[in-house]
Amino acid sequence: GAGVSQTPSNKVTEKGKYVELRCDPISGHTALYWYRQSLGQGPEFLIYFQGTGAADDSGLPNDRFFAVRPEGSVSTLKIQRTERGDSAMYLCASSLNQETEAFFGQGTRLTVV
Amino acid sequence: AQSVTQLDSQVPVFEEAPVELRCNYSSSVSVYLFWYVQYPNQGLQLLLKYLSGSTLVKGINGFEAEFNKSQTSFHLRKPSVHISDTAEYFCAVTLGAGSYQLTFGKGTKLSVIP
Repeated sequence: GAGVSQTPSNKVTEKGKYVELRCDPISGHTALYWYRQSLGQGPEFLIYFQGTGAADDSGLPNDRFFAVRPEGSVSTLKIQRTERGDSAMYLCASSLNQETEAFFGQGTRLTVV
Repeated sequence: AQSVTQLDSQVPVFEEAPVELRCNYSSSVSVYLFWYVQYPNQGLQLLLKYLSGSTLVKGINGFEAEFNKSQTSFHLRKPSVHISDTAEYFCAVTLGAGSYQLTFGKGTKLSVIP
């Protein structure tokens, strides 16, 4: 596609449920980033993939959060046992490689009720 | 570790007036600097970036920013704002030169008053 695509655009889930957020990067981009943006805050880094592997997952807040990119293209951010504090906008970005500009998707707004 | 401080959380300004949004950063290594704009319920759009070279960088929508290494600042300016510039603006710094992993400031909400 022409840009980074994130689905769904909005997700409402109940506390304790499991959710998956999907990111389709720009074709050919090997680097992929996930960020979380809480209300009134700037985006915070979660995890960075280079190809299929997580090169840096230091931003994941706890072990309820996990992300995969099995074929080096689409990535899924998985959140187990969701909590109200997980409510935020989750942003995905991709770049040709680590040394080139990253392009952001429109984000998935997650609301945990 | 890098950090970014945006000194103003909200900036109201009248239409056609000039505006400056302030950004200071701290880092022990050379970094790249960025300004992004976010419209309500949208993702981030790159306004401009500083990688190296001229310290005055021009971006889209008439915005420009000046990198000041001695003051560790990267303030964003526009000489005459439009209603359509109403949005939130984020300053960001990379992990280091050659990396595009970003650390963002908390953002500045620019409100343009007709």
